[in-house]
Amino acid sequence: AQSVAQPEDQVNVAEGNPLTVKCTYSVSGNPYLFWYVQYPNRGLQFLLKYITGDNLVKGSYGFEAEFNKSQTSFHLKKPSALVSDSALYFCAVRDDNTGGFKTIFGAGTRLFVKA
Amino acid sequence: DVKVTQSSRYLVKRTGEKVFLECVQDMDHENMFWYRQDPGLGLRLIYFSYDVKMKEKGDIPEGYSVSREKKERFSLILESASTNQTSMYLCASSSGQGASVGYTFGSGTRLTVV
Repeated sequence: AQSVAQPEDQVNVAEGNPLTVKCTYSVSGNPYLFWYVQYPNRGLQFLLKYITGDNLVKGSYGFEAEFNKSQTSFHLKKPSALVSDSALYFCAVRDDNTGGFKTIFGAGTRLFVKA
Repeated sequence: DVKVTQSSRYLVKRTGEKVFLECVQDMDHENMFWYRQDPGLGLRLIYFSYDVKMKEKGDIPEGYSVSREKKERFSLILESASTNQTSMYLCASSSGQGASVGYTFGSGTRLTVV
């Protein structure tokens, strides 16, 4: 069975500092990995995805994520945080064995960026 | 700009009422999904549909049903609303291009059952 874990409920960083939001996953086949962001009272917005190829994936708003197969991780990173990055971040995984219809989401990590 | 539109942002319903949540997408997507979002639990899949008149149960289908009579519209039905169905409901869609495609989400409907 596939699963995804976001071990931190909340991450606090100062504006201008680098940020990391952690995600680990478990799948039986090859993973398709996604990050989404949710701003207050809004739906989720797609940030980036890993399908295959380069382990460092670049996405929207200056975010990037690093796929590490041996550690089954897909951590979200940004070199310099902005106050406007404060939001709820979800990691998601899809197993290529499941026909592409079931995406499992993590519980979410709330990011606070302090000015 | 592509969109997934959920008809209501906020709803308050009474216990036992039949509740309809509507979702419309304008991207000609084959796949549509209903999730509920609860603090600490993330998103949990209720039902999904990969074609008109087709539906599949997700992880928590009990107490819910769905309808997809047209490609662009996917309705979630709470047959007899209960207080434990108070939640944020999110609709999403994706094209039928396999597992590598991301989802487009609506803005959500916050349902309160009293």
